[in-house]
Amino acid sequence: AQTVTQSQPEMSVQEAETVTLSCTYDTSESDYYLFWYKQPPSRQMILVIRQEAYKQQNATENRFSVNFQKAAKSFSLKISDSQLGDAAMYFCAYRSAEANNLFFGTGTRLTVIP
Amino acid sequence: GAVVSQHPSRVICKSGTSVKIECRSLDFQATTMFWYRQFPKQSLMLMATSNEGSKATYEQGVEKDKFLINHASLTLSTLTVTSAHPEDSSFYICSARKDRSYTDTQYFGPGTRLTVL
Repeated sequence: AQTVTQSQPEMSVQEAETVTLSCTYDTSESDYYLFWYKQPPSRQMILVIRQEAYKQQNATENRFSVNFQKAAKSFSLKISDSQLGDAAMYFCAYRSAEANNLFFGTGTRLTVIP
Repeated sequence: GAVVSQHPSRVICKSGTSVKIECRSLDFQATTMFWYRQFPKQSLMLMATSNEGSKATYEQGVEKDKFLINHASLTLSTLTVTSAHPEDSSFYICSARKDRSYTDTQYFGPGTRLTVL
């Protein structure tokens, strides 16, 4: 079974600064998708960014970007110009290209310091 | 947009009763919906996949007779926790996918907090 590991239970960042959240995964598949989801205190899961494994180019969404290293099975999330509203739990997730299941990591709680 | 709602947002029930949770896709048709469970300070665990017009597919270790799933229409899936016990207390989250393509993103509902006394 696929596993997703987030080694940082908690992270903090000063407002307007940059922070990187780590994620590694284990799979024997070559085609898959990776996601970062945000879960604020409201508990609503919000998709932050998504990466297709067959794409070499790192995905970016405004202030959010990823560093996808397929050989190393690493998928980190960089948040630039951090804002107070970025404070949340961040979950890294993996999904096979031919399956429904989303496998989630254990999450990283991000605190943004004003 | 892709909005998914859940009702109720929180429910408290007595041990032994059954509780129904609704998951609706508000602005799109969802051929596939998913039910997750999240314990405090833990990650989401997939319980089952709900396909419109067919039986749900349950993950290993999930009791299908305890967690009844019905996907009656393209916009509604329900999860019924039967004969609930305190250990069933948890946060239940649904998600929906717009089409049958595995490439499509899952959109999540806001969750339902179930407390069984």
